Amino acid sequence: ETGVTQSPTHLIKTRGQQVTLRCSSQSGHNTVSWYQQALGQGPQFIFQYYREEENGRGNFPPRFSGLQFPNYSSELNVNALELDDSALYLCASSFMGSGGELFFGEGSRLTVL
Amino acid sequence: KNQVEQSPQSLIILEGKNCTLQCNYTVSPFSNLRWYKQDTGRGPVSLTIMTFSENTKSNGRYTATLDADTKQSSLHITASQLSDSASYICVVSAGYALNFGKGTSLLVTP
Repeated sequence: ETGVTQSPTHLIKTRGQQVTLRCSSQSGHNTVSWYQQALGQGPQFIFQYYREEENGRGNFPPRFSGLQFPNYSSELNVNALELDDSALYLCASSFMGSGGELFFGEGSRLTVL
Repeated sequence: KNQVEQSPQSLIILEGKNCTLQCNYTVSPFSNLRWYKQDTGRGPVSLTIMTFSENTKSNGRYTATLDADTKQSSLHITASQLSDSASYICVVSAGYALNFGKGTSLLVTP
């Protein structure tokens, strides 16, 4: 158990819809990052939040957005869903300055039909 | 372009045997290299983290090596167990950005 929880665990959406995924960080962690993992692939970095500000972003379009709240929980929002957005979305929490140890949640499996 | 290449793509070994997984990277600037174990449908779990100055690091039956000159790393698993069946992912960080390999899928059979 990493102490990082994600919800929902599975969900199905249709193309064009919007989705919100949630993540509760491990206690004491101030940084959260999100990753997209397509089937059979390694995770791809989406973005990272530190103290409620986005401080790093991977090669994902603006329709992928996020929030980090004062209690360090986080949301990933994806607008105008496309079929290729079907993937496992992973959240990881860490403490900035600790050397970067990441603690991953179990992921949210999104299927876009 | 930052890249992390892992080999082999998949591997089958008998329980009790040893194996070595490889990771080659072209990532700059290099911050650290990590190995993760990911069970199917689960989140990755950290095995080791190595900085530029570290050549080897162990975590139980897992031993990772790093050659920063050749930009290569390996993960050696000793006396494999059925529970070692998983995907092993090499991750190289450049600042805040993490570059993930596609992973090596390991199957340990009785």
